Amino acid sequence: QVQLVQSGGGVVQPGTSLRLSCEASGFIFSKYAIHWVRQAPGKGLEWVALISLDGSTKYYGDSVKGRLTISRDNSKKSVYVEMSNLRPEDTAIYYCAKDMGGFPFDAWGQGSLVTVSS
Amino acid sequence: SNVLTQPPAVSVAPGETARITCGGDNIGTISVNWYQQKSGQAPILVIFYDRVRPSGIPERFSGSNSGNTATLIISRVEAGDAADYYCQVWDGGSDHVVFGGGTTLTVL
Repeated sequence: QVQLVQSGGGVVQPGTSLRLSCEASGFIFSKYAIHWVRQAPGKGLEWVALISLDGSTKYYGDSVKGRLTISRDNSKKSVYVEMSNLRPEDTAIYYCAKDMGGFPFDAWGQGSLVTVSS
Repeated sequence: SNVLTQPPAVSVAPGETARITCGGDNIGTISVNWYQQKSGQAPILVIFYDRVRPSGIPERFSGSNSGNTATLIISRVEAGDAADYYCQVWDGGSDHVVFGGGTTLTVL
């Protein structure tokens, strides 16, 4: 079955960097765009980034643009986000999600908690 | 850019119909997707392309989209439908995905 398994996350200090990973299985990974969505504690969903199926196109949410880089390795069926200059307001659960085509997200990872605190 | 407005909360009795709205400027001209998120869990897709149900989603879930309002309709509401619901669109003007603020459905 379709699965997205995330790794990374944890407690980090402000101003530092972090990398999250999302490994896919159960579908032809190279045919689908992947998104990252985050959810601050007690808040709603916030879209963070999109990478196209071949990695040639990337879009970023306004709150992370310039501090977050999304990438993918189709040979490893994985997508990554590198977040730099982390701020306390970046504290959230980060989810990767599979775009079924036309932007509905039909599969989600289990979530990775990132806590930015000194 | 698109701003999607949802009521913070909707309450219904079991067996009744819940309607959760998602307001946006001319939202009827673009596709809307809906997600259900239960406490401590990742969201799941319940309606896509305005009105299509993914496999495994009960027929009680349906959607509509016209003018400035998209609506998620849950018929014969059950206790297990209690959750947060989010609408979502792609804003081609800004190349951003946009989520509504979310609606908490309470089953009385």
